[in-house]
Amino acid sequence: AQSVAQPEDQVNVAEGNPLTVKCTYSVSGNPYLFWYVQYPNRGLQFLLKYITGDNLVKGSYGFEAEFNKSQTSFHLKKPSALVSDSALYFCAVRDGGGNNRLAFGKGNQVVVIP
Amino acid sequence: GAGVSQSPRYKVAKRGQDVALRCDPISGHVSLFWYQQALGQGPEFLTYFQNEAQLDKSGLPSDRFFAERPEGSVSTLKIQRTQQEDSAVYLCASSSSGTGSSPLHFGNGTRLTVT
Repeated sequence: AQSVAQPEDQVNVAEGNPLTVKCTYSVSGNPYLFWYVQYPNRGLQFLLKYITGDNLVKGSYGFEAEFNKSQTSFHLKKPSALVSDSALYFCAVRDGGGNNRLAFGKGNQVVVIP
Repeated sequence: GAGVSQSPRYKVAKRGQDVALRCDPISGHVSLFWYQQALGQGPEFLTYFQNEAQLDKSGLPSDRFFAERPEGSVSTLKIQRTQQEDSAVYLCASSSSGTGSSPLHFGNGTRLTVT
């Protein structure tokens, strides 16, 4: 079964500094990887995905993520964080050769300090 | 509508009551998913439909949980004889394809509180 680990509960970063949110995954086949963001009392919003191709993928709001097969990681990054980036971030993985079930990590709270 | 719509937004039920949660997916979306999100946790898979067919219900926690999508559009998640441990946010999501590469579009969820 597929699974995701997001090792940090909360990430604090000063506004304007680089932001990194870590994610590692486990899947038996080829991974389909996704990042979502959740604001209070809202559903999850899609940020970006990796299916195949270039290891560096770019998404919404200036976010990007790098797929690293050898380290089974898919860390989310943003070069310069904004206060409005403060939210809950979820990494998710699907087994590309298997079922359509998307497995989520427990989430990381990002706090951007003005 | 432009997005996935869920109703009600909030539901309070007394232990033992039955509840029904509704999901209106994005028009034309083939796939529909239900997830359960406990406080401080990531969403946990419940069930998946492709059109009207329920292809995976392995995440439903007990036989008190039942989901349907009879015409391949609107879906209802029903919980019978609610228990306190059922308190959570129930999220519905849809996607345009059944291949698994398309992102999920989530509704705002229904927050269920069982007292």
